[in-house]
Amino acid sequence: DAKTTQPPSMDCAEGRAANLPCNHSTISGNEYVYWYRQIHSQGPQYIIHGLKNNETNEMASLIITEDRKSSTLILPHATLRDTAVYYCIFTGAGDKLIFGTGTRLQVFP
Amino acid sequence: KAGVTQTPRYLIKTRGQQVTLSCSPISGHRSVSWYQQTPGQGLQFLFEYFSETQRNKGNFPGRFSGRQFSNSRSEMNVSTLELGDSALYLCASSRGTSTEAFFGQGTRLTVV
Repeated sequence: DAKTTQPPSMDCAEGRAANLPCNHSTISGNEYVYWYRQIHSQGPQYIIHGLKNNETNEMASLIITEDRKSSTLILPHATLRDTAVYYCIFTGAGDKLIFGTGTRLQVFP
Repeated sequence: KAGVTQTPRYLIKTRGQQVTLSCSPISGHRSVSWYQQTPGQGLQFLFEYFSETQRNKGNFPGRFSGRQFSNSRSEMNVSTLELGDSALYLCASSRGTSTEAFFGQGTRLTVV
């Protein structure tokens, strides 16, 4: 099954950019990188996904290295509401998301 | 548009009983996946249905089963409940392969 490696926890000051790294060295060519977050007791929330190119949407930016073995999720101006567990996942055919332990991001005032 | 709806939100069952959980996907979404979340094991994939066919299955015993109807609504069933089945059960829907999945709020099952 797909495996990713993320730091267990990170802190970020409110208003600053939060940069969350993820290693996915076993990703294959047709597998996408997805980022989700889960705020306590809620269902995971989709953030962004990409294949090769960097992606940006209203929530975040996704930077994928050229060899696709790692990526970084960037929250440009973190707020207290961004405190959550962030999951980096990669998946190919079908819709089977294999969640790791994620990164617990704490945004502080 | 309406999100993914899971019913019931909370459920208490006794060991040995069976339970059925329901998931209504976002309109137009044909893929429905189910996940179990526990403090010890985290989020684990149960199974995925697409157009009424099970397309992927996780590593769970046969007591866990599911189905999908022609309107894409899905149910999952757990028979002969065990204490360890106490968990948050999450359903996610998507349009299909390699598209984003949207999760419901989950059903919290407690087995006593």
